[in-house]
Amino acid sequence: DQQVKQNSPSLSVQEGRISILNCDYTNSMFDYFLWYKKYPAEGPTFLISISSIKDKNEDGRFTVFLNKSAKHLSLHIVPSQPGDSAVYFCAASPGTYKYIFGTGTRLKVLA
Amino acid sequence: NAGVTQTPKFQVLKTGQSMTLQCAQDMNHNSMYWYRQDPGMGLRLIYYSASEGTTDKGEVPNGYNVSRLNKREFSLRLESAAPSQTSVYFCATLRGVGDYGYTFGSGTRLTVV
Repeated sequence: DQQVKQNSPSLSVQEGRISILNCDYTNSMFDYFLWYKKYPAEGPTFLISISSIKDKNEDGRFTVFLNKSAKHLSLHIVPSQPGDSAVYFCAASPGTYKYIFGTGTRLKVLA
Repeated sequence: NAGVTQTPKFQVLKTGQSMTLQCAQDMNHNSMYWYRQDPGMGLRLIYYSASEGTTDKGEVPNGYNVSRLNKREFSLRLESAAPSQTSVYFCATLRGVGDYGYTFGSGTRLTVV
C-alpha cells in the first residue's frame, strides 16, 4: 500500500508561470515532509521541508503548503524556469529515522 | 568536500553473482541509508543505519545485506544477484530526526543479466 502518493506522473508548464506539484499521504503519524528534485544520472537534491506544526514554508521561488486535515501537501514553484525541469519527489516521516518517498512527478518547463 | 561518495557508478552482473556497493560520507552524519529507484516506483528504502553499530530493514530488504563498517561507511551486499535487482541504487545520509533533508550520493546503476 502506497503511503505517499504523487498521482500526476508528469506536468508541463510554460516558463514564467506557476508549477504546482501535489502529494497525498495516508499515515496521520507523518509529521515531517520533504521535497527533492532529481536530474537524470544524478542523486536527488533536497529542496525544501515542512513540519506538521506549520502550514507553509518558503525558500525563494519554492513554497510548500501542508494541509493536515486533507493529508495533502503541494510544492509551488514561481516563476518556473527551464532549469526546473526534473523529477520531483515528496517524502514523509513519522519523526523516525526514515522517510517514505512518493513515485515522483516529472516537471517539464517549456521555454 | 565530497559529501556522499558511491562506488562503483555502473556495474553489470550475471544472475547469481555477488557484489558489494560501497558508500562513504564525510559529513559526520549519524544516519545512513540505501534506497533503490525503479521506474514508476519512486525511491524505496532497502536498509538503514540510524547510528554506528545499528542497522534496520526498510521496505524492500529481501536479497540484500548491509554493514555499517564505521561512522563514515555503509555498504550494501547482493549475495546472489537476480534480474529483479536491476535498479539504480542511492546511498544517503541524514543529519538528524526532523525536517532535515537527506544528502544523496550520485547513484550506482546496476544491471543483472
